Amino acid sequence: DGGITQSPKYLFRKEGQNVTLSCEQNLNHDAMYWYRQDPGQGLRLIYYSQIVNDFQKGDIAEGYSVSREKKESFPLTVTSAQKNPTAFYLCASSLRDRSTNEKLFFGSGTQLSVL
Amino acid sequence: RKEVEQDPGPFNVPEGATVAFNCTYSNSASQSFFWYRQDCRKEPKLLMSVYSSGNEDGRFTAQLNRASQYISLLIRDSKLSDSATYLCVVTSGNTGKLIFGQGTTLQVKP
Repeated sequence: DGGITQSPKYLFRKEGQNVTLSCEQNLNHDAMYWYRQDPGQGLRLIYYSQIVNDFQKGDIAEGYSVSREKKESFPLTVTSAQKNPTAFYLCASSLRDRSTNEKLFFGSGTQLSVL
Repeated sequence: RKEVEQDPGPFNVPEGATVAFNCTYSNSASQSFFWYRQDCRKEPKLLMSVYSSGNEDGRFTAQLNRASQYISLLIRDSKLSDSATYLCVVTSGNTGKLIFGQGTTLQVKP
């Protein structure tokens, strides 16, 4: 079955530590996105990528980094510079970039907590 | 003012009730509108797109009012399984950027 897979489901970070969240899709989608969701809040865009080897900052990119070396993969690193990383992180993909309003397919999410 | 605003609720309704949610948006140039459903600690899933003429899918009806800049979602004959958070999503003007509302929580009681 085609889909988008995030791992791990739960992740704990120590102070000063970098952690990486995995996102893989086999839908052959060009565009991929990372969102952050805080309790009682909507989704906020961290980074997005429309094609391989290219990505753009979203609204809250500070303290995060991404790479897009393969079409299928868009890992997110939460760096030590992100002082409030506790949140629910959602990866999504779409067939074309979001300017064409294509349907978003979401992964099941990663809950990141600080120890 | 937030670009997309929703009443967070929760809306507590009995089974079989009809319930309506509104969502207001601030950018008059917004082109596309959607309702997503999100269960607790799960990923959002597209419920329906919202068209200018309004659209219906079974018990769900979505409407757009461009003059007043709001969209609505009506759920008829509520089921226990409708309990979830409903996210309003609007594209931001010419960029097509998706803006998510904070969500409205619905709890359907037996």
